[in-house]
Amino acid sequence: DGGITQSPKYLFRKEGQNVTLSCEQNLNHDAMYWYRQDPGQGLRLIYYSQIVNDFQKGDIAEGYSVSREKKESFPLTVTSAQKNPTAFYLCASSPDRGYGVFYEQYFGPGTRLTVT
Amino acid sequence: SQQGEEDPQALSIQEGENATMNCSYKTSINNLQWYRQNSGRGLVHLILIRSNEREKHSGRLRVTLDTSKKSSSLLITASRAADTASYFCATDGGSGGSNYKLTFGKGTLLTVNP
Repeated sequence: DGGITQSPKYLFRKEGQNVTLSCEQNLNHDAMYWYRQDPGQGLRLIYYSQIVNDFQKGDIAEGYSVSREKKESFPLTVTSAQKNPTAFYLCASSPDRGYGVFYEQYFGPGTRLTVT
Repeated sequence: SQQGEEDPQALSIQEGENATMNCSYKTSINNLQWYRQNSGRGLVHLILIRSNEREKHSGRLRVTLDTSKKSSSLLITASRAADTASYFCATDGGSGGSNYKLTFGKGTLLTVNP
């Protein structure tokens, strides 16, 4: 998991509350990503950011929001508009290998969010 | 939509045996990657194979890629109990697509029994 921290590891919230998941990296990577993983499923991309102050929607962005004010930080807010927020959330980063080419992704340890 | 699909969904073997997992994908790619995920943890990058490569090795890992069949395989030789994990293939957007946005399959759960 080295170099990427996600906090907290476990998070519990009541339905209707917004919650922000933290993601910090000290790898000096340009690109950062948020994924959602449900039991027995692969990863689904929520948002990604190639550079500071810029981000794009992934495949399941509805009900989520992000910001990228600093290179090392990419927080994810799960809003009350997200219908099924209970899931395992993974943050990742990726180095620019030159000319805007990114390859391998480095993942944080994840945050398990439970909304009741 | 999911680009990569791993097969089998689950695999159980004895320590010392080889484990083979397969991945099929639908559209053209620039690169295909394999990742490992231990239970409840983040993913770890294992190996990347480019579309112009047919085989790549890294320690006990051997990856093959057949772009004509749109498929890849991951072979783990002389497996150990510590190899127990889920294994995912991930593909990029190919020519005309994003090179940094990956699409992951649902994974193969490998259990290595001591």
